[in-house]
Formats: sequence, C-alpha cells, structure tokens
Amino acid sequence: EVQLLESGGGLVQPGGSLRLSCAASGFTFSSYAMSWVRQAPGKGLEWVSAIGGSGGTTYYADSLKGRFTISRDNSKNTLYLQMNSLRAEDTAVYYCAKDLRPLTTVITVFDYWGQGTLVTVSS
Amino acid sequence: QSALTQPRSVSGSPGQSVTISCTGTSSDVGGYNYVSWYQQYPGKAPKLMIYDVSKRPSGVPDRFSGSKSGNTASLTISGLQAEDEADYYCCSYAGSPVVFGGGTKLTVL
Repeated sequence: EVQLLESGGGLVQPGGSLRLSCAASGFTFSSYAMSWVRQAPGKGLEWVSAIGGSGGTTYYADSLKGRFTISRDNSKNTLYLQMNSLRAEDTAVYYCAKDLRPLTTVITVFDYWGQGTLVTVSS
Repeated sequence: QSALTQPRSVSGSPGQSVTISCTGTSSDVGGYNYVSWYQQYPGKAPKLMIYDVSKRPSGVPDRFSGSKSGNTASLTISGLQAEDEADYYCCSYAGSPVVFGGGTKLTVL
C-alpha cells in the first residue's frame, strides 16, 4: 500500500525558514517523480515544485522566485522541501504527491497524495 | 502559469448528471492529452478521479467520465449520489510542468 506521510509544518515568522519532509512507502520511491502541491486556507490547489526520480531534474512554480528548494534522499525514501524567506502568502497545507508513471521526468498526474502538513507564516 | 478556469459551483439532484468544465489554452489543455481531475472532501487530501483526459484509475466508479474539446476539458458525473458532493479540480500538463483549475464545488441537492 502506497503511503505518503508529510511532516515539518508549523508556525514560523515572516522571513523565516522551514523544511518539510515526506516519508514514502509501498512503492519503488526512486522510480517516481514527486511533487509538492499547496492549498491556502479556503483556496484551490497550487503546484509548487517537482523532482525527478533520480533527483537530477527539478521544477519550480514561477511565483516562488528561488525561495524554495526541493530535494530527495532515495536511500531514505524521503522527499524534502526547504522553504526560505517565508511570507504570509505561503501559509497553506502542503501536500506531497506521487506521479503516476515511473521512470519519467514529465510531471503529469498525481495518483497518491499525503495527508498534508500545515505551514502558518505569521508574527 | 495562469490557472485553468472552472465554474465556482455546480449542483444537481440525485440521479441526475452534471458536467464541470475546465478551460485553458493551447499551451495546456488544448496542447496535451494530460488532463486530470481530482475530488477533494473538506479537510482531506485530493483523490485522482480521471487522468489522461478520460482514463479512470482502478476503483473509481464508471459514473465519472472525462472528455476534451479544443481548449476545454470536462468532467461528467452521471447518476449523481450524495457522496459526490465535494470540490473538484482539473489539472493539465503545461510544460512547466502542471497547472490546476480554481476548483468547483459540487452540491447535491
């Protein structure tokens, strides 16, 4: 059974940093691209970042302007999102999501999602 | 990366059919057959319902179907049931890589 378990969310002051983690199990982690998708309170889904299975290819939403860094440790089956220079508008539930198709860096479909971790940016 | 356009809300009675539209451009919906649809209940994670425009993952009822014409994709739910009341989001590959719609709240009357 595929499981994705996010952690690392919490309350952080504007300008601060936070690192999110997503522990994966139930599939060959290194074979699949992974993404982070966020949802601000009462708002819709917004794709944030993605990384290929080997970690060599990364993608970011234009709106992030270099503040976030995605990475993965395939030996630990874990996905990360390092978030710096956080702003109030980054407040959201952050989901990690697995891509449907193996062995591709073309991010198209998310077949499994974690339960999400809440990040609140406030003073 | 502009969000895809969905109606904010749709409604239908049990047993009826409803269709949710998702309008993009030739750079996303119209350019690729990589449109997917997600169902989300309040406080829960999204669930994949349709992918590659019209394919259903295992376990998704065949009451859910997808289609596309030009720059607009559609999700149709037939034989509406109370448990279908949820938010629905479309998503399309856009080369960047993906863009979501703003979401549609489905109310079962």
